[in-house]
Amino acid sequence: QKEVEQNSGPLSVPEGAIASLNCTYSDRGSQSFFWYRQYSGKSPELIMFIYSNGDKEDGRFTAQLNKASQYVSLLIRDSQPSDSATYLCAVNGYQKVTFGIGTKLQVIP
Amino acid sequence: DTAVSQTPKYLVTQMGNDKSIKCEQNLGHDTMYWYKQDSKKFLKIMFSYNNKELIINETVPNRFSPKSPDKAHLNLHINSLELGDSAVYFCASSQPTSSHEQFFGPGTRLTVL
Repeated sequence: QKEVEQNSGPLSVPEGAIASLNCTYSDRGSQSFFWYRQYSGKSPELIMFIYSNGDKEDGRFTAQLNKASQYVSLLIRDSQPSDSATYLCAVNGYQKVTFGIGTKLQVIP
Repeated sequence: DTAVSQTPKYLVTQMGNDKSIKCEQNLGHDTMYWYKQDSKKFLKIMFSYNNKELIINETVPNRFSPKSPDKAHLNLHINSLELGDSAVYFCASSQPTSSHEQFFGPGTRLTVL
């Protein structure tokens, strides 16, 4: 079982819709969870992090964490073409952060 | 005022050569990392240093040798380059006492011919 699992996509959504990106992790001791965005040819940049169960909102982005189900998700409201990128889920375990393979999001104008 | 910088940005070399990539951060972070991102875009940790001490060494061939002369610099030397070493190598830094957010450098695209 991979430590951090994501569907590689691509996930295609129309402009203005809600994009829902999902991630599961295997280490129950994981404490913090991150969503990074990576544009093609660029480096990853952090867009959200979450530590506690529940929802955390920042502008159009909402991160959701359910530690019992070992599940973390990212919702992007009012998706824009500029949101088209690969979204990497990352989980902080013992001494290191493990990344998922990333979900490629395409927002269709 | 670049936070994490890497040189070179591109590196094209022949199989069997030895090459180095340099990384510097001006964020005052204690921890630095090297990641490899392959053609499938999977980002995998290679090494982590905390205050110049090696704390993570994933199963990386010993042809790869990191070196941290001080906590702001982490270099990566690769001996006897192989075709499979072709990838983008990212340096990153973080401050473990805070949010663990990692700040990435721009990446070095290594192509081995």
